[in-house]
Amino acid sequence: AQSVTQPDIHITVSEGASLELRCNYSYGATPYLFWYVQSPGQGLQLLLKYFSGDTLVQGIKGFEAEFKRSQSSFNLRKPSVHWSDAAEYFCAVGASDDYKLSFGAGTTVTVRA
Amino acid sequence: NAGVTQTPKFQVLKTGQSMTLQCAQDMNHEYMSWYRQDPGMGLRLIHYSVGAGITDQGEVPNGYNVSRSTTEDFPLRLLSAAPSQTSVYFCASSYETGELFFGEGSRLTVL
Repeated sequence: AQSVTQPDIHITVSEGASLELRCNYSYGATPYLFWYVQSPGQGLQLLLKYFSGDTLVQGIKGFEAEFKRSQSSFNLRKPSVHWSDAAEYFCAVGASDDYKLSFGAGTTVTVRA
Repeated sequence: NAGVTQTPKFQVLKTGQSMTLQCAQDMNHEYMSWYRQDPGMGLRLIHYSVGAGITDQGEVPNGYNVSRSTTEDFPLRLLSAAPSQTSVYFCASSYETGELFFGEGSRLTVL
């Protein structure tokens, strides 16, 4: 069975500083990987996805993520955070032949001025 | 451009009551699913459907029922609500690549 671990429950970062959110997955074959963001009181919005090919993927809002098969990781990064990036971030894993996704527990990001 | 629409957004029930959470999508997606979100647990899959007339259980199906009579609609029924079902519920739909499109959520409180 596939699973996702997000080791950091809560991260606080200063506005303008860089951000990295960790994600480790467990899956037997080549995974489909996703990062979603949830603003307070809202649904989840897709930031980026990895299916195959280039292991560095670019997403919306200036985010990028790198797939590292050897480490079973798919970490999310942003070079300079904005106050509007304060939200909860979820990593998810799926498969090419299955619509279902498994989500991590989420990381809450707080941005301080 | 409605996407995935969930109703109601908020609901308070008493233990033992029943209710239906509605979900509709206008993107002609074959796949639809229901998740519940609880603090520290992320999203857990309740039920899903790969097309009209086809449903299956996810990770936490007990106490919930679904049906899929049309491509657009995928209601979630709570037959006899329990306090453990207090949660935020999300409906999502997808085309074949597995990218989910989420509704805005329904917050349910069971007293």
